[in-house]
Amino acid sequence: SQQGEEDPQALSIQEGENATMNCSYKTSINNLQWYRQNSGRGLVHLILIRSNEREKHSGRLRVTLDTSKKSSSLLITASRAADTASYFCATDNTGGFKTIFGAGTRLFVKA
Amino acid sequence: DTEVTQTPKHLVMGMTNKKSLKCEQHMGHRAMYWYKQKAKKPPELMFVYSYEKLSINESVPSRFSPECPNSSLLNLHLHALQPEDSALYLCASSQEPRARGPNTGELFFGEGSRLTVL
Repeated sequence: SQQGEEDPQALSIQEGENATMNCSYKTSINNLQWYRQNSGRGLVHLILIRSNEREKHSGRLRVTLDTSKKSSSLLITASRAADTASYFCATDNTGGFKTIFGAGTRLFVKA
Repeated sequence: DTEVTQTPKHLVMGMTNKKSLKCEQHMGHRAMYWYKQKAKKPPELMFVYSYEKLSINESVPSRFSPECPNSSLLNLHLHALQPEDSALYLCASSQEPRARGPNTGELFFGEGSRLTVL
């Protein structure tokens, strides 16, 4: 079953621009994570934000979490062609093992 | 480079074959996972092991049989698969989720095994 829904499904931008991806989820969560996947390869963890946090930064990444709206956003600043990938949000809503992924946003960064 | 190693990278099998996918991690993680991913779709959880015991089976058909021989290894045995089972199978590991720590919850993925069922 799918917990998170992501918006937009696909995003095409020029190098140097910022990219914003949004994620909505349905049930209460312990944490929300963002992952990146290059075509046909494994997923790489980007950042984790806990339910009691509102914003988190890591390098060019900024994640926000609004638990009242059950939504999160991932901002990638000063994008590079190498950022081209699929980005997934994932939620852990049981305090256990069930990390469920959203539909994903496919980001294309044109050089 | 990933610290979770999956073999084989590619597998082609017939519907009557028996094959296995293997996953290994040496990060001391006590939780290991199998996910299935179809093209342009998110990964879907199949199985979770915690301390070598099966904790979650997401109603996966019995033609998929997981095994966790020890804390570092996770296998997925395949038998009598269907063409619609063709997908990328991803293994992941994590710290035991109920442990408390700054990185609890982060999944470490292997590169996946791409399975084609003819």
